[in-house]
Amino acid sequence: GAGVSQSPRYKVAKRGQDVALRCDPISGHVSLFWYQQALGQGPEFLTYFQNEAQLDKSGLPSDRFFAERPEGSVSTLKIQRTQQEDSAVYLCASSQDRGGIPLSGNTIYFGEGSWLTVV
Amino acid sequence: KNQVEQSPQSLIILEGKNCTLQCNYTVSPFSNLRWYKQDTGRGPVSLTIMTFSENTKSNGRYTATLDADTKQSSLHITASQLSDSASYICVVSGRTTDSWGKFQFGAGTQVVVTP
Repeated sequence: GAGVSQSPRYKVAKRGQDVALRCDPISGHVSLFWYQQALGQGPEFLTYFQNEAQLDKSGLPSDRFFAERPEGSVSTLKIQRTQQEDSAVYLCASSQDRGGIPLSGNTIYFGEGSWLTVV
Repeated sequence: KNQVEQSPQSLIILEGKNCTLQCNYTVSPFSNLRWYKQDTGRGPVSLTIMTFSENTKSNGRYTATLDADTKQSSLHITASQLSDSASYICVVSGRTTDSWGKFQFGAGTQVVVTP
């Protein structure tokens, strides 16, 4: 597709429910990122993939959060046993950079985000 | 402590006027700095990207400056339009393999342009 596509755009989950958020990056983009954005704040890093390899998951807040990108394209962020503090916008971004030292400064393209509300 | 600080937190300007947003960072070693515009309920959209060797970059009515020595950047909006109302986010990338992907985001400056 022309841009980064995320689904669902909006999700209301009952506390304790599992959710899965999908990201379809720009075709051919090697790098894929997940961010969590609380209301009125800047995005916070969650995890980073280079192709199918999850090179950094240090930002995942707990073991209830799990991300995968099995074929190096579409990625899924899964949140198990959702809690109210998980309510946020989850942003996916992709880039054609291959990682390493990011001197090239290629554009990072963001999706529209998945708005998760846990009630 | 956040490594990217933006100011002001918010500002209101009249349509047609200019404004300047500030970004101070402590990320080191530094690789590049990006300004993004985020409309309410939308994902961030890239405005400018500057590497450590660049001092200024323009994109239409948006002009970004960078002083890598003082670790400061500014985004200047010229002849503001109502559509400029948004949050403007400064994003800094470090120059090590450990920092790749871990972009440091500022909290953003919320700009409101009034008629």
